[in-house]
Amino acid sequence: AQSVTQPDIHITVSEGASLELRCNYSYGATPYLFWYVQSPGQGLQLLLKYFSGDTLVQGIKGFEAEFKRSQSSFNLRKPSVHWSDAAEYFCAGEGAAGNKLTFGGGTRVLVKP
Amino acid sequence: NAGVTQTPKFQVLKTGQSMTLQCAQDMNHEYMSWYRQDPGMGLRLIHYSVGAGITDQGEVPNGYNVSRSTTEDFPLRLLSAAPSQTSVYFCASSMTGGATYEQYFGPGTRLTVT
Repeated sequence: AQSVTQPDIHITVSEGASLELRCNYSYGATPYLFWYVQSPGQGLQLLLKYFSGDTLVQGIKGFEAEFKRSQSSFNLRKPSVHWSDAAEYFCAGEGAAGNKLTFGGGTRVLVKP
Repeated sequence: NAGVTQTPKFQVLKTGQSMTLQCAQDMNHEYMSWYRQDPGMGLRLIHYSVGAGITDQGEVPNGYNVSRSTTEDFPLRLLSAAPSQTSVYFCASSMTGGATYEQYFGPGTRLTVT
């Protein structure tokens, strides 16, 4: 079955430090992959997406993600976090057939001053 | 553009009651979908529609009905609410199905069933 897993439920990081959120996928073929962010009480906003080609994808708000086929991973990174990055982050995948996004369980990021 | 709107924002139901969650978009998007969000489980797809008159089931469709009579609206119906349907519900839309176009999410409806 197709699945997306985010191993970390919570991550706490100091403001200005780097951040990496892990995402692993299980699909028969390489899926389309996405990272979304959800601020408290809000809907989801797309940070970035990977379809094919360059394995390092740049997104909004200074985020980037790297697709690694050998590790079935699509980890999200930010070099220096800001207090406003405190939110919940979701990795999602969609198979070639389309129309059905599968989400990971989410990682909640707390930013310490 | 208002984007994707959902009403109500909050709702409390008793077991067995019925209700409709409203979703509307003003972007002329063909694809619309409903998700529920539960702690630790991310978002799970309930139903989706690739155009007016066309709907299909997602991952967790039981207990929910949908219809799509117009491009703009995609209501979600709970015919007989159960405590297991306590959740936050999100509606989303995109230009078409598939991953080519970004999905835009509404602000959510928080439903409690007692």
